[in-house]
Amino acid sequence: GNSVTQMEGPVTLSEEAFLTINCTYTATGYPSLFWYVQYPGEGLQLLLKATKADDKGSNKGFEATYRKETTSFHLEKGSVQVSDSAVYFCALSDPVSGAGSYQLTFGKGTKLSVIP
Amino acid sequence: NAGVTQTPKFQVLKTGQSMTLQCAQDMNHEYMSWYRQDPGMGLRLIHYSVGAGITDQGEVPNGYNVSRSTTEDFPLRLLSAAPSQTSVYFCASSLLGGGGNEQYFGPGTRLTVT
Repeated sequence: GNSVTQMEGPVTLSEEAFLTINCTYTATGYPSLFWYVQYPGEGLQLLLKATKADDKGSNKGFEATYRKETTSFHLEKGSVQVSDSAVYFCALSDPVSGAGSYQLTFGKGTKLSVIP
Repeated sequence: NAGVTQTPKFQVLKTGQSMTLQCAQDMNHEYMSWYRQDPGMGLRLIHYSVGAGITDQGEVPNGYNVSRSTTEDFPLRLLSAAPSQTSVYFCASSLLGGGGNEQYFGPGTRLTVT
């Protein structure tokens, strides 16, 4: 079956530090890959996505590249801010046939805290 | 657009009680789903629907029922609450068409079963 593994947290960084959160996946087909972010007390919102190999998703200074050869989708940001403190989830949807193809499989989440 | 709305925001139940968590979306999305979020577990799919009158089970369906009588609404029913159902519940919706579409999440319902 499908699965997503992301690095354990929590991660604590100083403001302006470089961020990497690792994510690897297992899928039966050719999945779309996502990073969702959850701010305290809120629901999840899409941060970025990539739908095919070698695509790069980017948003708000965050980037992730779909690497089929290493089955990875690592999240990076060059300079984090206090406002980036949140929980980050890597996820995939696997477009195999059938109605279940839109299901998201999530990693367990990585909590990021950025200190001034 | 209000997006995806969920009620109530918080709920406390006693073991054995039943209740319905409400979810509605105003984006005319065909696909709707329910997840539960538990510490260290990520989000796990409970039930989903690809349109009115069509529902199916996800990863953790036991103890929950759903129905989809309209495109807009997708209520989740707890038949007989158990402490193991203490969790945060999220409803989500998206367009159909390829699996790469963004899912929009509601703000969540925090449920405690005592």
